[in-house]
Amino acid sequence: GAGVSQTPSNKVTEKGKYVELRCDPISGHTALYWYRQSLGQGPEFLIYFQGTGAADDSGLPNDRFFAVRPEGSVSTLKIQRTERGDSAVYLCASSNSGSNEQYFGPGTRLTVT
Amino acid sequence: GEDVEQSLFLSVREGDSSVINCTYTDSSSTYLYWYKQEPGAGLQLLTYIFSNMDMKQDQRLTVLLNKKDKHLSLRIADTQTGDSAIYFCAEGTGRRALTFGSGTRLQVQP
Repeated sequence: GAGVSQTPSNKVTEKGKYVELRCDPISGHTALYWYRQSLGQGPEFLIYFQGTGAADDSGLPNDRFFAVRPEGSVSTLKIQRTERGDSAVYLCASSNSGSNEQYFGPGTRLTVT
Repeated sequence: GEDVEQSLFLSVREGDSSVINCTYTDSSSTYLYWYKQEPGAGLQLLTYIFSNMDMKQDQRLTVLLNKKDKHLSLRIADTQTGDSAIYFCAEGTGRRALTFGSGTRLQVQP
């Protein structure tokens, strides 16, 4: 079956602009995770959804970052007033109810100029 | 907070075994994972081990866990050029967020 998909694959934006990154999890997966990966580093946790609600948003770096999952499937990560330091690959993962296995999408490479 | 550490780089010859090491600090970790990342691609789950296990074997992959020393290793037997990638160790407690190391770049020389 289809894996986790993310759009766009690449996004270039100017400093100060607003961006939205989309994640489409594996069908039926109830848990959805957002991570951010900077160059030469491992992924760092941002936020975790169980169904429609954010179960843990402790990784969001500040209030410019926000994520939603209104119908418990697709999720959107929203970044306001982007800064050059936000440049990274944003990864989404999903897992099935009762499973500890997280499956990752290909990521969105965000470049803030 | 939790910390996961890995060596940065490993070079082996094709056909040799590779051993990638990882240490972690969170004693409450329930699962330890190995992910593989090829250039420009997302992370591929290779294998994982439950914290009450010492060893897990899956075809060419062997995971060893020393819970006392909080040390995890991944052995790849008969390493091939297609195994060249970055390997990430991660720890987690069930369906919660994972904490990743910085990755070990494995280079396989023909």
